[in-house]
Parts: sequence; C-alpha cells; structure tokens
Amino acid sequence: DVKVTQSSRYLVKRTGEKVFLECVQDMDHENMFWYRQDPGLGLRLIYFSYDVKMKEKGDIPEGYSVSREKKERFSLILESASTNQTSMYLCASSFPSPDEKLFFGSGTQLSVL
Amino acid sequence: GEDVEQSLFLSVREGDSSVINCTYTDSSSTYLYWYKQEPGAGLQLLTYIFSNMDMKQDQRLTVLLNKKDKHLSLRIADTQTGDSAIYFCIISGGSNYKLTFGKGTLLTVNP
Repeated sequence: DVKVTQSSRYLVKRTGEKVFLECVQDMDHENMFWYRQDPGLGLRLIYFSYDVKMKEKGDIPEGYSVSREKKERFSLILESASTNQTSMYLCASSFPSPDEKLFFGSGTQLSVL
Repeated sequence: GEDVEQSLFLSVREGDSSVINCTYTDSSSTYLYWYKQEPGAGLQLLTYIFSNMDMKQDQRLTVLLNKKDKHLSLRIADTQTGDSAIYFCIISGGSNYKLTFGKGTLLTVNP
C-alpha cells in the first residue's frame, strides 16, 4: 500500500517556538507538497518541491520554510510559531505527470498557544 | 487566477442519491478530480475525469462534466452513512503545480 506518513497527528507548541513537521513517502515520488487546511478556507498551498533540494513557494509561504534533503522526506519549518499558524497541515506527494494523482498524509493538527 | 466554487453543505437521507456540484473558471483545465476527506483524515482520490470526457461512471459514483458551462458534478447513488465526509473538487491546469481546490462540500447522511 502506498503511504505518506506525517510524523505527528497532534502537536501543541508555544508562540515563538521553532516547529518541524515531517513528512515521508514511500512511493519514490518526485513531487511533494505542504498544505494547510482551515475551516471555510479549504486547502492552501504553502510550499512544494519537485526534486531533492528544490523548493517553490506556494500561495501562502510567509512564516514557513521547507527542507528536502532526501527524495522521500519533505519537512515544513515554522521558524517562530504564531497563533495564526494554528491549523491542520497536510502533506501530499505525486509523480510529475499531469494525470498523476496526489496522495495525502493523514494530517497534523497544530495548535500554537 | 483559477477559481473553483462548491456549496459548503449538503444533507441527504440514507439510500437517496447525493449530487455535489462544482463550477470552475479556467477553460484550459485538463484533469478534474473528486477527493474525499473523512473526519480526522487526509484526502483520498475518489475519481477523476479528463477534460475530453463528458461522463465517467465507477460503481456508485458518476461524474458529469459540462465544459461549456464549466460545471462538474459528482453523483453518489444509494448514499450510505459511510459516505459522510467532505468532498473536494480539484482542477488541474495540466501540472501538479497548478491544482486549484474548491473549499469542499460537507456531505451529511442521515439515517
């Protein structure tokens, strides 16, 4: 079974902390994505990567950075967490082909207090 | 840019058909997807249609595409309580990098 695994299901952090969200896929996908999901706003793309060490900004990159040192792993970093970053974070991966589907992880619910 | 609109809520009785609608703006869309998100989970691909098709059927699911009106629908026949979830319409401009998401329709199935 194909799998996208996010390291934490729930995370509680304090304002100002540095936060790492990890995502690992076992499908040898080139593309990896980080989204955040908020009620009434749907999913919004934060960053994506189409190869190792490559990254591209999505629609809402402010306050976030990413790291892709290995093909299977894509990390989302909140340098200094703020309360408005409380959200559900979803990682996804895919092959770089127009008809290839996104495979999603189960999500990390992050609360910043 | 591309915009994808869905109604936010739909409520049906068990055994009835559900129809979830989606409208989009970009006429160059190539792939159109329906994803399902169950409570506390990530999104799973349900079905998709290529833009040169009008209809696709997969067991209880029927996807209809009206390119002229830029309208996509998902019909679920004999809706069950296990179908209760959020359904996302996602439009591809021909690249994974250009996916546009609807905000999702929460389907509630009442016994």
